[in-house]
Amino acid sequence: EDKVVQSPLSLVVHEGDTVTLNCSYEVTNFRSLLWYKQEKKAPTFLFMLTSSGIEKKSGRLSSILDKKELFSILNITATQTGDSAIYLCAVVQVRPGSGNQFYFGTGTSLTVIP
Amino acid sequence: DTAVSQTPKYLVTQMGNDKSIKCEQNLGHDTMYWYKQDSKKFLKIMFSYNNKELIINETVPNRFSPKSPDKAHLNLHINSLELGDSAVYFCASSPRVGQGHNEQFFGPGTRLTVL
Repeated sequence: EDKVVQSPLSLVVHEGDTVTLNCSYEVTNFRSLLWYKQEKKAPTFLFMLTSSGIEKKSGRLSSILDKKELFSILNITATQTGDSAIYLCAVVQVRPGSGNQFYFGTGTSLTVIP
Repeated sequence: DTAVSQTPKYLVTQMGNDKSIKCEQNLGHDTMYWYKQDSKKFLKIMFSYNNKELIINETVPNRFSPKSPDKAHLNLHINSLELGDSAVYFCASSPRVGQGHNEQFFGPGTRLTVL
């Protein structure tokens, strides 16, 4: 069964802390792994990862993929209260002759307190 | 211009009623999706449509039926609403494989409350 598992389910940290969010997957015909940030509305796209070992960075956020061990991590350094959100991991599966199938994890709820 | 739009944003209705949620995307994407997000914030895929053909139908009750009049629209119709249907429903779209990035673009969500 194809699945995506995120950990921890929730996390509370103080401003300035560094956090690491985990996403492991078992999905056949893997194409890419995506990270989203969801605040009060719809998820917003953060990163797309397709190759192992290549770090993607955007400001204080960075992410890396390990296709051998089937996981990805999302790092947030010097956290701010505005980072409080649910972080979703999704894996894209290629279906020959069809569109992509997305598998979402349960999400990690991050709360940053002042 | 909104890339993926949904209407209505809020829907409050009685048990047993039939309702529809509309979704439109102006990105020229081939594939559209419906997700249900429950109170625990877990996103569960319900349906996806590729070129007007249903390609995935998760184990959702048959009271839920997607309808796609054209490639840019995927509406969700729900019959005989139940209390457990209360959730936020998200529409999303993505390009077909080989058409560039395969991130999904999400609509703003429709919060459905069944009384």
